[in-house]
Amino acid sequence: EAQVTQNPRYLITVTGKKLTVTCSQNMNHEYMSWYRQDPGLGLRQIYYSMNVEVTDKGDVPEGYKVSRKEKRNFPLILESPSPNQTSLYFCASSRGQINSPLHFGNGTRLTVT
Amino acid sequence: AQSVTQPDIHITVSEGASLELRCNYSYGATPYLFWYVQSPGQGLQLLLKYFSGDTLVQGIKGFEAEFKRSQSSFNLRKPSVHWSDAAEYFCAVVPNTNAGKSTFGDGTTLTVKP
Repeated sequence: EAQVTQNPRYLITVTGKKLTVTCSQNMNHEYMSWYRQDPGLGLRQIYYSMNVEVTDKGDVPEGYKVSRKEKRNFPLILESPSPNQTSLYFCASSRGQINSPLHFGNGTRLTVT
Repeated sequence: AQSVTQPDIHITVSEGASLELRCNYSYGATPYLFWYVQSPGQGLQLLLKYFSGDTLVQGIKGFEAEFKRSQSSFNLRKPSVHWSDAAEYFCAVVPNTNAGKSTFGDGTTLTVKP
């Protein structure tokens, strides 16, 4: 089944403790992206990757890191999480053409205390 | 930079009634336009998209949307709403100069009354 898989689904952590949220897709998609969803703010793009070893900042990249060493994986790294990064995070992938729709994972709910 | 406005935060309609969700965008040229739906606890799913041609596009689940260049709008419609349509709906734009950048509206939550 074609899918985007994020892990974990839920994560509670403390301020400053490094964490990684994994994202993997099995559709051989060129493009992958991370978003955060906050009430009343919709989805905001954090980082995106057009291909392996190519990443670019979205609208809210501060406090996040990403890497794209393999086509199928695009982990989101929070080196020193803070409470304002408490949010619902989504990973998405697509074929990478401008009219390609995004395929989303089921989300990771992160709480930073 | 592009922006997307969904003026209605929350809409309630009766089952069987018609629905229109509004989306306005700001961009120097015609962007690529998408509507996604998010059911509770799920990721987003594509409903339909527009990038050229016929300004009325058909999507899944009986939804359609009309692109109006003069109004910078891409409103989503459904003639008869079903209880299972209750969800959050997002309009999104991708600029024609950068396939990587996507901007979403704040979303409209649809409640369906029996």
